[in-house]
Amino acid sequence: AQSVTQLDSQVPVFEEAPVELRCNYSSSVSVYLFWYVQYPNQGLQLLLKYLSGSTLVKGINGFEAEFNKSQTSFHLRKPSVHISDTAEYFCAVIKTGGNKLTFGTGTQLKVEL
Amino acid sequence: GAVVSQHPSWVICKSGTSVKIECRSLDFQATTMFWYRQFPKQSLMLMATSNEGSKATYEQGVEKDKFLINHASLTLSTLTVTSAHPEDSSFYICSAPDSSAYEQYFGPGTRLTVT
Repeated sequence: AQSVTQLDSQVPVFEEAPVELRCNYSSSVSVYLFWYVQYPNQGLQLLLKYLSGSTLVKGINGFEAEFNKSQTSFHLRKPSVHISDTAEYFCAVIKTGGNKLTFGTGTQLKVEL
Repeated sequence: GAVVSQHPSWVICKSGTSVKIECRSLDFQATTMFWYRQFPKQSLMLMATSNEGSKATYEQGVEKDKFLINHASLTLSTLTVTSAHPEDSSFYICSAPDSSAYEQYFGPGTRLTVT
């Protein structure tokens, strides 16, 4: 079975500052990794995904993440956040060959002026 | 990109009644759809996998007689919450995988409130 840990439940940051949201996973098999964003009372939107290839993945809205196999991490970063980035962010994994996503507990990113 | 819709977006019902939530893939076919439940400020918990033409697969601890799932066509799955109680109040989200089966497209969610 897979598990995903998002250690930070809330991350406050000032506008235009950089941010990193941490994600670690555990799995006995190979996995694909995803970051989703959820705005209040909405569904999830895919930010980026890692399937294979370059470990640095760029996504929408200026976000990027780096897959680190040795540390089993997939941290999300943005060099300069905006107020509009305030949302809940979920890290998720799916085992290769599978079709069920396993989600982390989420990180609430709050961008302040 | 692919679009998944849900209807209704919110519903209020009385305890003991049943509520049906629809999940549609608008521009692609989905032989599989997933139903999630999300409590306030919590993560998504997979409830069941909806399979077109066959029975749904429920996750451990989910009452299949209470949460009825029907995958009527390649673009429609429905979740019926039977004999709803206040503890069933939650945000229900569906998703459908793309052709690779790895990326999932999520519906906007349905807020159910049982009074």
